[in-house]
Amino acid sequence: EVHLVESGGGLVQPGGSLSLYCVVSDFTFRNYWMTWVRQAPGKGLEWVAKIKEDGGEKYYVDSVKGRFTISRDNAKNSLYLQMNSLRAEDTAVYYCVTGGYNYVYWGQGTLVTVSS
Amino acid sequence: QSALTQPPSASGSPGQSVAISCTGTSSDVGGYNYVSWYQQHPGKAPKLMIYEVSKRPSGVPDRFSGSKSGNTASLTVSGLQAEDEADYYCSSYAGSKNVFGTGTKVTVL
Repeated sequence: EVHLVESGGGLVQPGGSLSLYCVVSDFTFRNYWMTWVRQAPGKGLEWVAKIKEDGGEKYYVDSVKGRFTISRDNAKNSLYLQMNSLRAEDTAVYYCVTGGYNYVYWGQGTLVTVSS
Repeated sequence: QSALTQPPSASGSPGQSVAISCTGTSSDVGGYNYVSWYQQHPGKAPKLMIYEVSKRPSGVPDRFSGSKSGNTASLTVSGLQAEDEADYYCSSYAGSKNVFGTGTKVTVL
């Protein structure tokens, strides 16, 4: 069974940084695009970023462009999200998801709270 | 990069059908056959119910069906059951990026 486990969430002050991690098991990680999706408390899903199988292409939602960086390590079956210059509106549960447009497998999510 | 438009709520009695619309533009829903639908129960991660407009993943009941016409996609749940009560989100490829719908809360009366 495929498992995705996110970590790295927590409380951070506005303007601060945080790194999110996602380890994927029982899945041919290197053959698939990977995506980060977030959900603010009580709100809907928002696509954040995606990365190609080899890491050669990366795309971001406009609101995080220049502040967030998605990356991956295929040798470690791991996906990352470096978040800088965090804002209150970045507060959300962040999900690691397999695929570039059909999101078959989801992690349980990690909560990021941006507050002073 | 605006969210796709869904009705906030929909409801039906057990055994009835409910249809949820997802309206975008020619740059997303209308331009590609990469519309998918997700079911989310409270406190849980979303679950893929329909992909590429009308395909069902293994294990998803055939009560769930999808379609598309122009810039609007639709999810129909037939023979409503209590466990179908959840939030539903559409998603579409949008030319290198992706976008989700605003979400619809389905209530089984």
